[in-house]
Amino acid sequence: SQELEQSPQSLIVQEGKNLTINCTSSKTLYGLYWYKQKYGEGLIFLMMLQKGGEEKSHEKITAKLDEKKQQSSLHITASQPSHAGIYLCGAPTDKLIFGTGTRLQVFP
Amino acid sequence: DSGVTQTPKHLITATGQRVTLRCSPRSGDLSVYWYQQSLDQGLQFLIQYYNGEERAKGNILERFSAQQFPDLHSELNLSSLELGDSALYFCASSVDNLSYEQYFGPGTRLTVT
Repeated sequence: SQELEQSPQSLIVQEGKNLTINCTSSKTLYGLYWYKQKYGEGLIFLMMLQKGGEEKSHEKITAKLDEKKQQSSLHITASQPSHAGIYLCGAPTDKLIFGTGTRLQVFP
Repeated sequence: DSGVTQTPKHLITATGQRVTLRCSPRSGDLSVYWYQQSLDQGLQFLIQYYNGEERAKGNILERFSAQQFPDLHSELNLSSLELGDSALYFCASSVDNLSYEQYFGPGTRLTVT
């Protein structure tokens, strides 16, 4: 079965710094979804990538899909405390499977 | 606010008991998904309903069952509860049965004591 591994597992950055979260699949990716979860709350849909090489941006968050590497990266520019939370990648199989999650903390 | 509502927000019950979690999808969405999130297992897909019919099954235990009603709200029934069933249960909805762009509710935190 397909698995998604995210790295790093946890990230603590100072406000204003840039950061990157990676999501690597054990099998071919036919699309990739990024979600954000605030602690103990529901997931918020961020963006969907459907084609290799596709890049999308939402405010200060940019995500790219590299089909050859079976990987997606999510980049946050000039991080803010509001970016804190758990970032989850999801991949469509016969259902939507999720990565292990990356916990992001941003301190002033 | 995703438009997906879940009740109750918190539930504390004893082992062996049965509980029902309720979900109302976003207006216009026909698919409802149930997920379980625990610290050791992460976010796990349980089951999907589309327009009242079961569409896909994931890692759902036999003690758990779900249904989607004609008004499209859904209920997840958990019975013979065990300590290990303590988790956050999320409901999500999407416009059809093929979309993976899902909108999640705030979740129900179940604690089994």
